[in-house]
Amino acid sequence: GGIITQTPKFLIGQEGQKLTLKCQQNFNHDTMYWYRQDSGKGLRLIYYSITENDLQKGDLSEGYDASREKKSSFSLTVTSAQKNEMAVFLCASSIRTNTEVFFGKGTRLTVV
Amino acid sequence: GDSVTQTEGLVTLTKGLPVMLNCTYQTTYSPFLFWYVQHLNEAPKLLLKSSTDNKRTEHQGFYATLHKSSSSFHLQKSSVQLSDSALYFCALSVANSAGNKLTFGIGTRVLVRP
Repeated sequence: GGIITQTPKFLIGQEGQKLTLKCQQNFNHDTMYWYRQDSGKGLRLIYYSITENDLQKGDLSEGYDASREKKSSFSLTVTSAQKNEMAVFLCASSIRTNTEVFFGKGTRLTVV
Repeated sequence: GDSVTQTEGLVTLTKGLPVMLNCTYQTTYSPFLFWYVQHLNEAPKLLLKSSTDNKRTEHQGFYATLHKSSSSFHLQKSSVQLSDSALYFCALSVANSAGNKLTFGIGTRVLVRP
């Protein structure tokens, strides 16, 4: 089996700071995703990528950038952290359309 | 756009009782529906999936049937266990010109009491 590794597990940032979250997968999956998880709002798609160097905006892309440097990695940048922001960012991957999506354990962001 | 609706935010019930979690969806494309379960401090994991109309799918005692006529994919279990306490997400996958996109509902938290 494979694994999705997200770093860091916990991230504390300051208001206005640019923050980068990283994700690595060894499934050899084509598609990768970034989701934001807030209490009471479920999982909201920020960006996804169907292959290396591809980027597709999700429903929540404003305020974020993403980069798919190679097939196995997908990074997410919070361009300007918002004060009192707290959320968990989940990275995920899948082989192709309509197949099972595998998730990492998440990066928990706190902005002070 | 595509959307998924889960009407219950929290379901609390006693061990051994049945449970049904509601899920309805909207899309103009051919749908694939999923149920994911997330235990505390864990990653979400796939529980069930289906794209076949009116066919029941089962896993680990949970079951669901996709009904395209009513755009529903409700999750059921006949007898819940303490270990079923978790957050359950219904999700919709569609394939469009921009590739795959997976849309989640807000989730239903299930709390099973002894």
